[in-house]
Amino acid sequence: EPEVTQTPSHQVTQMGQEVILRCVPISNHLYFYWYRQILGQKVEFLVSFYNNEISEKSEIFDDQFSVERPDGSNFTLKIRSTKLEDSAMYFCASSVQGVKNTGELFFGEGSRLTVL
Amino acid sequence: KNQVEQSPQSLIILEGKNCTLQCNYTVSPFSNLRWYKQDTGRGPVSLTIMTFSENTKSNGRYTATLDADTKQSSLHITASQLSDSASYICVVSAKGNNRLAFGKGNQVVVIP
Repeated sequence: EPEVTQTPSHQVTQMGQEVILRCVPISNHLYFYWYRQILGQKVEFLVSFYNNEISEKSEIFDDQFSVERPDGSNFTLKIRSTKLEDSAMYFCASSVQGVKNTGELFFGEGSRLTVL
Repeated sequence: KNQVEQSPQSLIILEGKNCTLQCNYTVSPFSNLRWYKQDTGRGPVSLTIMTFSENTKSNGRYTATLDADTKQSSLHITASQLSDSASYICVVSAKGNNRLAFGKGNQVVVIP
């Protein structure tokens, strides 16, 4: 069964360092998302991506963050100059249709980021 | 601000018993409501998706209800199994955008 895959599963970094989280969405999906979940908190929307550009982003997704689809398969989230409060589980997700049209969202297993 | 509130925060049930989880939301204008199951340390997995016109939707032993007038939903788990131990998250989508509003989840623990 097709699935969303994410790497790395866990990354530990020093405050101020840059981090790139990678995702391979399901191949025929057109919408891609990043969400994050701070330990013990609810899942929060970061950004949605469609047709090779950001379609929506939340208040969390400031200039520190960027997304890219460098080729036909990968979807990356870059965090520049990480802060302690960036420590969280980051989930990539993809869907055929947008979620506003009841598109079913498939999540990856997550990348746990720990900033020291 | 669009919000999703769930109750109870956590509950413990005996294997084989039923339970019902509640979700209240203020998301507007409403598009659809989803229930996800999230095992500890894993990504959420979709259980049901319901639109305004749907009152009930089932997925195996999981049955979701929706009252769009009162902005309430419930998830009923029938004949619980140990593998049902997880967080159940209510998620609501507003019309016009592709972001989802997540609740904090109902933490369910099924014991033998």
